[in-house]
Amino acid sequence: QVQLQQSGPGLVKPSQTLSVTCAISGDSVSSNSAAWNWVRQSPSRGLEWLGRTYYRSKWFNDYEVSVKSRITINPDTSKNQFSLQLNSVTPEDTAVYYCVRAAAAGTYDFWGQGTLVTVSS
Amino acid sequence: VVMTQSPLSLPVTLGQPASISCRSSQSLVSSDGNTYLNWFQQRPGQSPRRLIYKVSNRDSGVPDRFSGSGSGTDFTLKISRVEAEDVGVYYCMQGTHWPWTFGQGTKVEIK
Repeated sequence: QVQLQQSGPGLVKPSQTLSVTCAISGDSVSSNSAAWNWVRQSPSRGLEWLGRTYYRSKWFNDYEVSVKSRITINPDTSKNQFSLQLNSVTPEDTAVYYCVRAAAAGTYDFWGQGTLVTVSS
Repeated sequence: VVMTQSPLSLPVTLGQPASISCRSSQSLVSSDGNTYLNWFQQRPGQSPRRLIYKVSNRDSGVPDRFSGSGSGTDFTLKISRVEAEDVGVYYCMQGTHWPWTFGQGTKVEIK
């Protein structure tokens, strides 16, 4: 059974960097058939995909256009985890952030427990 | 692709059926012939949980009172007899067109 365990600070100051990590058990971040995603949820935006990382003989990343200039998703094969960094945050980035696995075409199957990140001074 | 759900709020009597509609702004039939329409349930305080994938395939452990149907741009999630544990928000999500997108959610509550 795949489990995704998230960690990270719940409060970030405006203009600083939001960081959340997702530790994977029951699968590998280097899997050739899975993609590892970050999705956030807020009352104003609903559920919003932010980006993903995946390995297909080499590493690939895709990012949502609206955050592309501010986001980095990195795999860490030594710890079997991946991380989200979002720079220059504003209060509009306040949301619950989820890590999510996509292991088959067109669907998400496993979700982390969510991390509420509040952007406030 | 914009996913539009209705209704946004659904009060239901225990034991009665419930139906949620989801419409997409484009056909969800993929070039491989599959239709990647998913349904997720989010109970209060929990992460979303997938119930249905590819329109009508129930996930393991999902009660058979949940069923999905539809084609093209129009899809439906039905609960044959609502139970107390079904309270939460239900989301449709399309995985045919990149980036994958979610509906706004339908809140199911007990009358």
